[in-house]
Amino acid sequence: KQEVTQIPAALSVPEGENLVLNCSFTDSAIYNLQWFRQDPGKGLTSLLLIQSSQREQTSGRLNASLDKSSGRSTLYIAASQPGDSATYLCAVRGMNSGYSTLTFGKGTMLLVSP
Amino acid sequence: DAMVIQNPRYQVTQFGKPVTLSCSQTLNHNVMYWYQQKSSQAPKLLFHYYDKDFNNEADTPDNFQSRRPNTSFCFLDIRSPGLGDAAMYLCATSFGSVQYFGPGTRLTVL
Repeated sequence: KQEVTQIPAALSVPEGENLVLNCSFTDSAIYNLQWFRQDPGKGLTSLLLIQSSQREQTSGRLNASLDKSSGRSTLYIAASQPGDSATYLCAVRGMNSGYSTLTFGKGTMLLVSP
Repeated sequence: DAMVIQNPRYQVTQFGKPVTLSCSQTLNHNVMYWYQQKSSQAPKLLFHYYDKDFNNEADTPDNFQSRRPNTSFCFLDIRSPGLGDAAMYLCATSFGSVQYFGPGTRLTVL
């Protein structure tokens, strides 16, 4: 059974810092990995999707990498801003689970202070 | 512009009183999902529909049922809510790899 772990569980940084969020998964047989953002009491917003054949994806100040063989992904946030404060979740779509179902980590709660 | 809509956003029910949560989508996606998310936990998949094909996760309690009368709508029925069912319920859709989530319904059980 696929398990997804995110470290750290919480992170507090001053504005302007570059930071890295980590995600690991136990079964490397995946179709893709997705990073989401969740604001308090809200739904999930997709940030980046990396297909299993890709190594990284970039969107603005966000860069996500994928090392499928080692079961790891990182989300790099450059020049963090208070508006980046949210919980970031990673999720994998596994080949050994049901069609198009995702397995989520518990998330990293990020606080960026002015 | 809302693509995945959930109603109500907040729902309060009494212990044992049936409740229905609704989800609609304007994306015409063929797959719809219901997730349960408890505080500081990962979203947990309850069911998903691939078109009209219903897929129940093995550990989804029998207390939870779902209906999808057409492509646009999907409902989550909780027959006898317990205190442990208080959570955020998230609806999502997909066509291909990316899942699009609604804002969620926060369920409180008194």
